[in-house]
Amino acid sequence: NAGVTQTPKFQVLKTGQSMTLQCAQDMNHEYMSWYRQDPGMGLRLIHYSVGAGITDQGEVPNGYNVSRSTTEDFPLRLLSAAPSQTSVYFCASSYSRLQLQPQHFGDGTRLSIL
Amino acid sequence: KQEVTQIPAALSVPEGENLVLNCSFTDSAIYNLQWFRQDPGKGLTSLLLIQSSQREQTSGRLNASLDKSSGRSTLYIAASQPGDSATYLCAVWNTGFQKLVFGTGTRLLVSP
Repeated sequence: NAGVTQTPKFQVLKTGQSMTLQCAQDMNHEYMSWYRQDPGMGLRLIHYSVGAGITDQGEVPNGYNVSRSTTEDFPLRLLSAAPSQTSVYFCASSYSRLQLQPQHFGDGTRLSIL
Repeated sequence: KQEVTQIPAALSVPEGENLVLNCSFTDSAIYNLQWFRQDPGKGLTSLLLIQSSQREQTSGRLNASLDKSSGRSTLYIAASQPGDSATYLCAVWNTGFQKLVFGTGTRLLVSP
């Protein structure tokens, strides 16, 4: 059971480039989400999904897109990378939107924008 | 807007001590509260999940309590060990919102 898998683990981009951060879970979880973690600001929600085909914005969605075509995958796209998007990105999943079970986190993607 | 505060920001104790980490939140309309552990360069691991109707949860040497009316939770770690060194985060899930709101964490160092 792999849990939540994020790829890549590290990435360096130039300003203006685009890329996709991958997230996959093998636990048949309904709810998935993306957070960014910045020093002194804690984790902030970017986007979330309560099931395949359903996504919604979190606190800091600008500059990011998501889609949920399958239950397992929830990729995060940076449209035009900016230095302010330098951060550690975490994907999380849980069994349902009811949050009766704990959330599972991936190991993160460390992203630097030059 | 829900705000979650964790005090202290950092804590250093000798091995064997019992310790308490504090978490406070401003909006008592929470669905649940979770305590997580984060090791350097790693993701978050859920330690304890307390539903709003519960007062405490226990797992091994860990005990978490919840007082919704006062907006507080504590994580008690008994007989601390160097392996407990990590950052501990609390997060609340608000009723009606589909997200966790995190505190900024307490960085714990347990010295041998």
